[in-house]
Amino acid sequence: EAQVTQNPRYLITVTGKKLTVTCSQNMNHEYMSWYRQDPGLGLRQIYYSMNVEVTDKGDVPEGYKVSRKEKRNFPLILESPSPNQTSLYFCASSLSLHAETQYFGPGTRLLVL
Amino acid sequence: GNSVTQMEGPVTLSEEAFLTINCTYTATGYPSLFWYVQYPGEGLQLLLKATKADDKGSNKGFEATYRKETTSFHLEKGSVQVSDSAVYFCALSDLSRGSNYKLTFGKGTLLTVNP
Repeated sequence: EAQVTQNPRYLITVTGKKLTVTCSQNMNHEYMSWYRQDPGLGLRQIYYSMNVEVTDKGDVPEGYKVSRKEKRNFPLILESPSPNQTSLYFCASSLSLHAETQYFGPGTRLLVL
Repeated sequence: GNSVTQMEGPVTLSEEAFLTINCTYTATGYPSLFWYVQYPGEGLQLLLKATKADDKGSNKGFEATYRKETTSFHLEKGSVQVSDSAVYFCALSDLSRGSNYKLTFGKGTLLTVNP
């Protein structure tokens, strides 16, 4: 089954404790991205990747890192989480960007205390 | 830069009512337009899309027409069901010079359909 998986689905952590949210897709997609969803703000892009070893900042990259060492995986790293990073995070992938359907993971709900 | 404006809602309808969710956009080039739907507790999934002016996207009884002259992509359904209750997002992708490689989303519209 074609899908995007994220882990964990739910995470409660404390300020400053490094964490990684994993994202994996099994569709051989080149394009992957991370979004955060906040009430009243909709979805905002954090980082994206056009292919292996090619990543770039989205609209709200501060406090986040990503890597793309393999085509299927695109982890999101919070080196020192802060409470303002409490949010719902979605990973997405597509064959390319323009005119293509993006496939979203189920989401990771993060609470930073 | 690119932007998407959609009616924020919430929208509450009775079953079998007519639905319109307005969406307008600004873009520097010739964007593709999308409607995504998010059911409770789930990720977003594509509902329909249109890639050029005057195209009509349709799926599950929903439809939207790409109107370049009014820069709009309004979502409509003739008769909603309780199972249509969800958050609906209008979005665009634009690969013209100077645009970021991303989907630009509206803020979402919560639709609740009552029996």
